[in-house]
Amino acid sequence: QSALTQPPSASGSPGQSVTISCTGTSSDVGAYNFVSWYQQHPGKAPRLIIYEVSKRPSGVPDRFSGSKSGNTASLTVSGLQAEDEADYYCSSYAGRNIRCVFGTGTKVTVL
Amino acid sequence: EVQLVESGGGLVQPGGSLRLSCAASGFNFNIYMMNWVRQAPGKGLEWVSYISGDSVSVYYADSVKGRFTVSRDNAKNSLYLQMNSLRDEDTAVYYCARERGGSYSDSWGQGTLVTVSS
Repeated sequence: QSALTQPPSASGSPGQSVTISCTGTSSDVGAYNFVSWYQQHPGKAPRLIIYEVSKRPSGVPDRFSGSKSGNTASLTVSGLQAEDEADYYCSSYAGRNIRCVFGTGTKVTVL
Repeated sequence: EVQLVESGGGLVQPGGSLRLSCAASGFNFNIYMMNWVRQAPGKGLEWVSYISGDSVSVYYADSVKGRFTVSRDNAKNSLYLQMNSLRDEDTAVYYCARERGGSYSDSWGQGTLVTVSS
């Protein structure tokens, strides 16, 4: 199972928006509405920020939003803040015995 | 408060073995699916293994199949990963994570570092 494809980097100024894509196949992203997104700061564990394509866990600001079209999912961070600077990973369910496949990761820089 | 605490990492020679543990607290451990996820230094996340709440279903990434074994002891609220025939490329921080339906992980441990080197 190959990793989902994300751009290596993305950036924006404070207050701006940034959108990260996550491209999979018809066997993972395209097949299920089970795409999730994780934020990871250096030296820290990943933190769930989006699940089931567009749902936010409690405590996650509504500046974070998710969507999906076909084999590509997207994460948008609106109103960028300094603390949003981190690595972001998408993940998709890929079948019963491949619980999840992760994306290659995107480093978001707040300029 | 949900807590997951990994332990057991360390330095091991290629071909060696190591057993990781994950102590869970703050939730009804025996009804939750669990995963091991790893992250090589400077690299991305990689799913390693899954175990259902009742241990009936276990799955592995192709990269570890036949070498790693996942297990759990619900009486001890603990998850384990037995790693045998370790290779250089197994060097990573290993995280245990609680899975929810839809295969997303809503709680993660702090990770334990496994270094495979001679």
